[in-house]
Amino acid sequence: SQQGEEDPQALSIQEGENATMNCSYKTSINNLQWYRQNSGRGLVHLILIRSNEREKHSGRLRVTLDTSKKSSSLLITASRAADTASYFCATDPDDYKLSFGAGTTVTVRA
Amino acid sequence: EPEVTQTPSHQVTQMGQEVILRCVPISNHLYFYWYRQILGQKVEFLVSFYNNEISEKSEIFDDQFSVERPDGSNFTLKIRSTKLEDSAMYFCASRAGTSGPSLFGPGTRLTVL
Repeated sequence: SQQGEEDPQALSIQEGENATMNCSYKTSINNLQWYRQNSGRGLVHLILIRSNEREKHSGRLRVTLDTSKKSSSLLITASRAADTASYFCATDPDDYKLSFGAGTTVTVRA
Repeated sequence: EPEVTQTPSHQVTQMGQEVILRCVPISNHLYFYWYRQILGQKVEFLVSFYNNEISEKSEIFDDQFSVERPDGSNFTLKIRSTKLEDSAMYFCASRAGTSGPSLFGPGTRLTVL
């Protein structure tokens, strides 16, 4: 079944601005993870938030989780050109796999 | 910082040929996975492996696919008779425990001609 779905599909911002993207999912989860993928490259793990956590920070990243709404958001503050990438949320409905959304493509303009 | 590694980075093969994609997970991790991403599409789960056996597999992981952990370090994905639609980026991932993050390798781009 489809789990994480990101919104918006694409986002274009000016360097220095904040970027916010959202993820919705359908079933209960143990945790939710966010990944970054530069064009044609590997998946870089950004942050994991557990189902009993509401907010987590890592550097310029802030992730929130609302299990009652089955949604999460990723905020990138003070964006840089190097933040240009696709961002995916991934949920684990069981212990054995991650279910990925289609991703949000973020373009940071200089 | 330890990383998951994958070889080769790019594999080109003829339809019907067998390919083996190799991964070296992080050494103290216990859970191993293969995912794939067809160009422009979502990352899809293929198979998970724990305690020397498959713990779950997706509908994509049919009889042409197999996985093996032949020694203490390597984790391989074999595709017996490749099809055009197997062209994708294949990612290996490993995880220390069920509550930790899944860490991905850089991927192998498989092109089937």
